[in-house]
Parts: sequence; C-alpha cells; structure tokens
Amino acid sequence: KAGVTQTPRYLIKTRGQQVTLSCSPISGHRSVSWYQQTPGQGLQFLFEYFSETQRNKGNFPGRFSGRQFSNSRSEMNVSTLELGDSALYLCASSTGGLPSYNEQFFGPGTRLTVL
Amino acid sequence: AQSVAQPEDQVNVAEGNPLTVKCTYSVSGNPYLFWYVQYPNRGLQFLLKYITGDNLVKGSYGFEAEFNKSQTSFHLKKPSALVSDSALYFCAVSSIYNQGGKLIFGQGTELSVKP
Repeated sequence: KAGVTQTPRYLIKTRGQQVTLSCSPISGHRSVSWYQQTPGQGLQFLFEYFSETQRNKGNFPGRFSGRQFSNSRSEMNVSTLELGDSALYLCASSTGGLPSYNEQFFGPGTRLTVL
Repeated sequence: AQSVAQPEDQVNVAEGNPLTVKCTYSVSGNPYLFWYVQYPNRGLQFLLKYITGDNLVKGSYGFEAEFNKSQTSFHLKKPSALVSDSALYFCAVSSIYNQGGKLIFGQGTELSVKP
C-alpha cells in the first residue's frame, strides 16, 4: 500500500498571504488528522476529519481551516499568514474507528516558511 | 486535561547497551498510549501501542514498552541499542473520551547512540 502523501513538501510564503496544503491518506483510511510541529511548541493537534466531517479540533485560531473530500483526501488552509505559522505540518491517516486507539500513519510533512 | 511528559530532552547511550526513554501521562479514563519515532526531515513512524491487556508491549525494530498504571508511565525500552536508533522519540496519549484522531504528544526525547 502506498503511504500518506503530502504536497507540496516545501513552501515559502510572505506574511499576509494564504496557503493550502494537501494530504492523500492511505487507501481505505477514512480519518485524516493534521498536526503542527515547531521547535518551541512541539507537536500540536490542529483538527481531524472523518467521512468529510470535522470530528475534533485543537486550539488554533480560525485562520486555520480544513476540509475533506469524498475520496478522503484532505486539505488545510491557513489564511493571513504570520511569521509564527512557520512549521512542519504533518498529516496522519487512520481507519478512524472509535474509540480512537488505532495507530495513525504520518506523511513526510510540508515545511512552511513564512517570511 | 490530557497531557504527556517526557522528562529527558536527550538520552545518550553506547551501542550495545540497553536504552530507556521515559514517558508519563495524565488522562481521564483508560489511556491509549503510543510511541512514535521521527528521523530527520521525515514524518513520524509508529513503533508500538498499549490499549489493554499485557503491560509489556512489543513493537517494531526490537523496541518494547512497559505500561505502569500506578505510576502512570509508559517507558520505551530496547535491550541493545544500535547507532541507527538515533532519532527523536515521541510518546502520545489518547483516550475513549476523544472524539477521534486527537493524539496528545510529549515534547520528544532525542536519542543519541554512539559507537
């Protein structure tokens, strides 16, 4: 099976711009979660989608949004970029059943740099 | 609130010696506990998980972890370290109260194995 893929792998943007990141989960996985990784804050949960519905959300401002399509692919969008949004954005997929003890499989991440 | 603590930022071990990476957690209800490893410029790779049952869990690459409910700990261990084990290790927790997909991660422990 192909793993989780994320595009693009690297992005450079300037403050005030917006950005869209894409994630394709493992075939058959219906849950996609997004995480932000920074040296200072570590790994923080952004949100999770299951069958096109946001099922869980972390403590991030409304500038961070996402969606999931019928084929389980997911996108996340960050509007009005700030310098502090520079991070590695990781996408993870799982089968998505509840309780949530299924392991998540991570993609390689998208490295976003905001100048 | 759920939380995970990895008390050591870095662990240094000589090749061939046993290694331990520590993790303690706080969660409502029964925990679902995970260990992930991250190599430079890569996403996270799943190592092992504890859901229920035997307190000693075996995972990938010879790693194992011991769940201790009274000490709320889930330490990662390996009997004989390899130089190739050098990486960043993350402990994560979820629980039945999660609506799905949300893992709470520790800050990570940098493992360095010297020849």
